[in-house]
Amino acid sequence: GAVVSQHPSRVICKSGTSVKIECRSLDFQATTMFWYRQFPKQSLMLMATSNEGSKATYEQGVEKDKFLINHASLTLSTLTVTSAHPEDSSFYICSAREDIRGYYGYTFGSGTRLTVV
Amino acid sequence: AQSVSQHNHHVILSEAASLELGCNYSYGGTVNLFWYVQYPGQHLQLLLKYFSGDPLVKGIKGFEAEFIKSKFSFNLRKPSVQWSDTAEYFCAVWNAGNMLTFGGGTRLMVKP
Repeated sequence: GAVVSQHPSRVICKSGTSVKIECRSLDFQATTMFWYRQFPKQSLMLMATSNEGSKATYEQGVEKDKFLINHASLTLSTLTVTSAHPEDSSFYICSAREDIRGYYGYTFGSGTRLTVV
Repeated sequence: AQSVSQHNHHVILSEAASLELGCNYSYGGTVNLFWYVQYPGQHLQLLLKYFSGDPLVKGIKGFEAEFIKSKFSFNLRKPSVQWSDTAEYFCAVWNAGNMLTFGGGTRLMVKP
């Protein structure tokens, strides 16, 4: 089945530094990937939609200058949290969408737990 | 805007009890429906999905869900839960706007 690899799984960084999270579709091409954020005891919140070769579409309230998304190839999207602060600590999950003969399949990465100290 | 509601935030059951988790959505057009499960410390996994055809969908691990269009519902069921079903369950709806919207999640605890 489709597999999405997300790295790193955990990262601890100092306040003010930047962190890059990678999301790769291993055995399929994903023209569209999604980045979600999950707060403790809450559901997934869509942050942005990443389209290969074009700018990402951000949801309302998500700072695009803070959460930089790059989707340079059909198998890789990256999320960079710039100048991270403790309030950015969260669980980030990517999802890659595969077009399967007319319908979309969504495969999720294993998530990245970011802790900003 | 589309919304997805899961009525039960926390459910506690004993092993062998029957399970039904509610999911309602607001979108009136064509939708695809999903249930995902997130076991403790693991990533999201697809339990089952509905695109068209038989509204009663069978998924992995004995789960099933029924799409009732008139009620905008897609409830998840399992006749007899096991301790290993302890997890968080998410209903999700995809609409023609190409967006996947998640419900708030239901945390299930099964007592052995």
